[in-house]
Amino acid sequence: NAGVMQNPRHLVRRRGQEARLRCSPMKGHSHVYWYRQLPEEGLKFMVYLQKENIIDESGMPKERFSAEFPKEGPSILRIQQVVRGDSAAYFCASSSGQGIPYEQYFGPGTRLTVT
Amino acid sequence: AQSVTQPDIHITVSEGASLELRCNYSYGATPYLFWYVQSPGQGLQLLLKYFSGDTLVQGIKGFEAEFKRSQSSFNLRKPSVHWSDAAEYFCAVGHYNQGGKLIFGQGTELSVKP
Repeated sequence: NAGVMQNPRHLVRRRGQEARLRCSPMKGHSHVYWYRQLPEEGLKFMVYLQKENIIDESGMPKERFSAEFPKEGPSILRIQQVVRGDSAAYFCASSSGQGIPYEQYFGPGTRLTVT
Repeated sequence: AQSVTQPDIHITVSEGASLELRCNYSYGATPYLFWYVQSPGQGLQLLLKYFSGDTLVQGIKGFEAEFKRSQSSFNLRKPSVHWSDAAEYFCAVGHYNQGGKLIFGQGTELSVKP
C-alpha cells in the first residue's frame, strides 16, 4: 500500500511566480491536511480538506494561498506571487477519517525555495 | 490558546545511554498526544500515540512515552539509544473537536555520540 505521495520534492520559484504543490493521499484516505515547516520551527497547520470540501482553513494565510481536493486527482496547495518568506517545507498528511482521533500519515514533503 | 512546548531544542547522548525527551502541553481538556520522528530531508513517522487508558504507551523502535495529567506532560523515553535514532523528534497534540488538526512543538534534535 503506497504511502502519501507529494510532488515535486523540491521546487524553486522566483519571487512573483506561482507554486503548485501536489499531494496524493494513501489509498482509501479521503482526508488531507497541509502543514508548513519554516526553518528551525515545528510544523504549523494550514488547512484540512475532505473530497471537494474545505473543512478548516484557519491556518492559511489570508492572501495568495489556496487549497483544493477535487473529487478526482490529488490535493493541490497553490501559492500565488511567492515571496522569500514562503520558503519552507510543506507537508501533506492523510487520514481515513475513521476512529478518534484521525491518525495522520505524512508524506515526504515539498521543499520550496523562493529566490 | 493550545500550545505544545518542547523545552530542549538539542540533546546529545552517547550510544547505549538512556534518553528522555520532554513535552508539555497547554490544553483545555485532555488532548490526544503523539510523538513523531523526522530524519533529515524526510517526512514524519509516527512513533506512538496516546488516546486514553494506560498512561504508559509503547511505540515503534523501542520508544515509550508516559502521560502525566497532573504535569500536562507526555515525555518520550528510550532505555538504550542507537546511532540510528539521531533525528528530530516532534511532540503533537490533537483533540476531537479540532477535526484532527495537530499542534506541534518546535522539535528536539537528537544527536548520538559513538
